[in-house]
Amino acid sequence: DIQMTQSPSAMSASVGDRVTITCRASQGISNFLVWFQQKPGKAPKRLIYAASSLESGVPSRFSGSGSGTEFTLTINSLQPEDFATYYCLHHKSYPLTFGGGTKVEIK
Amino acid sequence: EVQLVESGGGLVQPGGSLRLSCAVSGFTFNSYWMGWVRQAPGEGLEWVANINPDGSQKYYVDSVKGRFTISRDDAKNSVYLQMNSLRAEDTAIYYCATIYCSNGVCQFFNYWGQGTLVTVSS
Repeated sequence: DIQMTQSPSAMSASVGDRVTITCRASQGISNFLVWFQQKPGKAPKRLIYAASSLESGVPSRFSGSGSGTEFTLTINSLQPEDFATYYCLHHKSYPLTFGGGTKVEIK
Repeated sequence: EVQLVESGGGLVQPGGSLRLSCAVSGFTFNSYWMGWVRQAPGEGLEWVANINPDGSQKYYVDSVKGRFTISRDDAKNSVYLQMNSLRAEDTAIYYCATIYCSNGVCQFFNYWGQGTLVTVSS
């Protein structure tokens, strides 16, 4: 099974900051990676697919990069509505696995 | 507008059964794979099961194999999760979500329902 290690598990940031979240796969997954945002009490929302493709309607301050085993979600100029928990998911093979999540809190 | 609406959650005793339903609208259901993802209270997301458009391919996380069954009814635009031999660790919000595959490329979980809570407790 492919394990996804996400870091950090939590972070504090200020509005306007640049935030970087990393997911590391235990083996190569090409670009079979998705990033989600989840706010309390809500279903997850897809932000990025195929590691770097921005979902329609998602602000351009969100970007994804990486291939193989190392992936990054970057939020440029963090906005108040971006405070949430972020998850990566690999879909290279079954079982699908999510990263442990990164909670982005207000500093 | 794409809509996914889960139902069937509730309180069940350990060893009991529940059947979750997910009714969908706003897209061509019989062209989509469907999946279930769960989230235990205060915890992260866990993929549970997927089913292909004609129901011939089903995949499960190891922890539910032999206990849970995913199925679909295209006439009712619905996907189901039959959960048997429930355990306390199955307590979670269960979400259904869409997967669209075309020409060997799959788009995972672009649409989600609001979730239904399953509590396994005596």
